[in-house]
Amino acid sequence: NAGVTQTPKFRVLKTGQSMTLLCAQDMNHEYMYWYRQDPGMGLRLIHYSVGEGTTAKGEVPDGYNVSRLKKQNFLLGLESAAPSQTSVYFCASSYGGSPSTDTQYFGPGTRLTVL
Amino acid sequence: AQKVTQAQTEISVVEKEDVTLDCVYETRDTTYYLFWYKQPPSGELVFLIRRNSFDEQNEISGRYSWNFQKSTSSFNFTITASQVVDSAVYFCALSPTTNAGGTSYGKLTFGQGTILTVHP
Repeated sequence: NAGVTQTPKFRVLKTGQSMTLLCAQDMNHEYMYWYRQDPGMGLRLIHYSVGEGTTAKGEVPDGYNVSRLKKQNFLLGLESAAPSQTSVYFCASSYGGSPSTDTQYFGPGTRLTVL
Repeated sequence: AQKVTQAQTEISVVEKEDVTLDCVYETRDTTYYLFWYKQPPSGELVFLIRRNSFDEQNEISGRYSWNFQKSTSSFNFTITASQVVDSAVYFCALSPTTNAGGTSYGKLTFGQGTILTVHP
């Protein structure tokens, strides 16, 4: 199993450009998440999904959109990139069953720079 | 609102020293889960441990041990006989058991992370 994979690994954008980050998991997990990691701030939840066709806002959703058309994929879109969105983006997934057993597993991250 | 504080921004030790990483949390939930993740220089996040709030037993896994004290809202992580490969950023995280809508999911709130450097 590949686990959680993210595409691309690195990307440089100019202000105002758009892009989509792809997250894929092969563990048949119901729940998927997008986080951003900034220096000194840990990881913050952007959006999440509790199943195919569902999405919800996290802690810092502004400027991002997401879609979960297939269970195994979770896309994060930036419609008009801004320098403040320069960050490392992590995708995670979890089984989503009982809270007592639910653990999030993370992808390798995407380093995005917006100039 | 939930909050996780890792007051130690950076720790530097020499190999074979023991080191404790502190984690203090705030939550109004009566049941919750606590986690530790490791982020080595390669960048990925590696799950280390999950602990639920009604189980205050300490846990040991090899050189790693965790001390959960509900009375002080702390979940500290100790590495015994540290090794260079332990050098990483360590994150403590907190998750409720359910969200406001009643759907069970593990929304993680992370601490700021502690950078551990183990020198040979």
